[in-house]
Parts: sequence; structure tokens; C-alpha cells
Amino acid sequence: GAVVSQHPSRVICKSGTSVKIECRSLDFQATTMFWYRQFPKQSLMLMATSNEGSKATYEQGVEKDKFLINHASLTLSTLTVTSAHPEDSSFYICSAPRSGGADTQYFGPGTRLTVL
Amino acid sequence: KQEVTQIPAALSVPEGENLVLNCSFTDSAIYNLQWFRQDPGKGLTSLLLIQSSQREQTSGRLNASLDKSSGRSTLYIAASQPGDSATYLCAVRRGSYIPTFGRGTSLIVHP
Repeated sequence: GAVVSQHPSRVICKSGTSVKIECRSLDFQATTMFWYRQFPKQSLMLMATSNEGSKATYEQGVEKDKFLINHASLTLSTLTVTSAHPEDSSFYICSAPRSGGADTQYFGPGTRLTVL
Repeated sequence: KQEVTQIPAALSVPEGENLVLNCSFTDSAIYNLQWFRQDPGKGLTSLLLIQSSQREQTSGRLNASLDKSSGRSTLYIAASQPGDSATYLCAVRRGSYIPTFGRGTSLIVHP
């Protein structure tokens, strides 16, 4: 079953509104989570690293005031797209690494954001 | 900066064919390489993970190989089925948890 969940799976909003996306690790604790953005037929581009108990680390070119990240607990990270505009429409995916064993990353199912 | 390239970008084949998907990377100092499957509008499902010390991994009809020195990995799909239709992504990790993704190969297997 899924080990990382995202909510909502799909959201449509008007330009200028803010949208919050949640990412949860379901049966393990994640001190670090990652937020990606994916445009149609493109690869995943890392936006930021969410760190529990400290500020997020943003990749170059990503506006931290535009994309607010809060790692509220060891199982929850939220991404808020503030004052969304049509160009923010995209597929947002989070992931959480799970250490031990294969030491792999688990990805959420993604959130499709459409800004009208 | 690590760059990951996947060839071909798209592939359409009849059911039953054996397939080879290619992934190349520019920096051979990797920690591991992972192949994912992504269905349209969905998240990623991990298929195979190859550690830097390994040469290949197998799961069912899937086999992934890794040649670090040449910066290449191959995903082999045996006896393809329509249910294999999806985008296949290759991701390379250096030392941290952050992988670099290729753009993927979009696969269509038609009956």
C-alpha cells in the first residue's frame, strides 16, 4: 500500500488565491521530505527540501515567498502556493526517504493544480 | 552537475516484444540508480533500485543493469504487455537523498 499520501489529489482555483498541499508519510517518520514540480512531458524538478524543525531549503530559482513550506511534524509537510497564477499550474509531487533496507525514496501520488 | 538522459523519449510496440530502455548519466560518482514507473496523472512507483556496488537487479519481467564506468543503465522489459504502458523514469543519486531525474521514456504497448 501507499506509504506517502498527498492531499488533495486535484485542485482548481482562481488566480490570486492560495492553495495548500499536504504530504504525509503513513507508517514511518520522515525528518526530510522533498517537493517536486512536473510539467507535461517533462521530468521532475526539485523545488525544495523540507526539514522538520527548521527552515526549508529551496533550489535556485524557486521563490520561497511564493512556495511556502512547513514541516509541521515528523509525518507531515505542507506546500502552500501563495497568490497562485496560471503559470503555477502544474503537477506537484512530494517524496520522503525511508532509511534502512533499500534506502529508497517513496513518492506521493501527486497533486494536479490548475489555476484559472 | 549531474545530467541524466533517457533514450528513446517515446516507444510504441506490439504486445509480446522484449524492450530496452536506456539511461545515461554524466557523473559516474553515484550512490545508486533507481527506475520508476509513472502512470498518467499519477505519482511514481519504484521498480528497481541498484546500488553503486551492484551490476543488476531483477524483478519479475524487469531487469535493470548498471555500468557506472560508462555512465549507463538499461531497463529490460521481457514479453511486454499493454499494462506496461506508462512513462519510465530513471533517477540517479549522488550522496544525499536528492536524485536527479531523466525526462523519461513514454511507453505504449498495444494489443
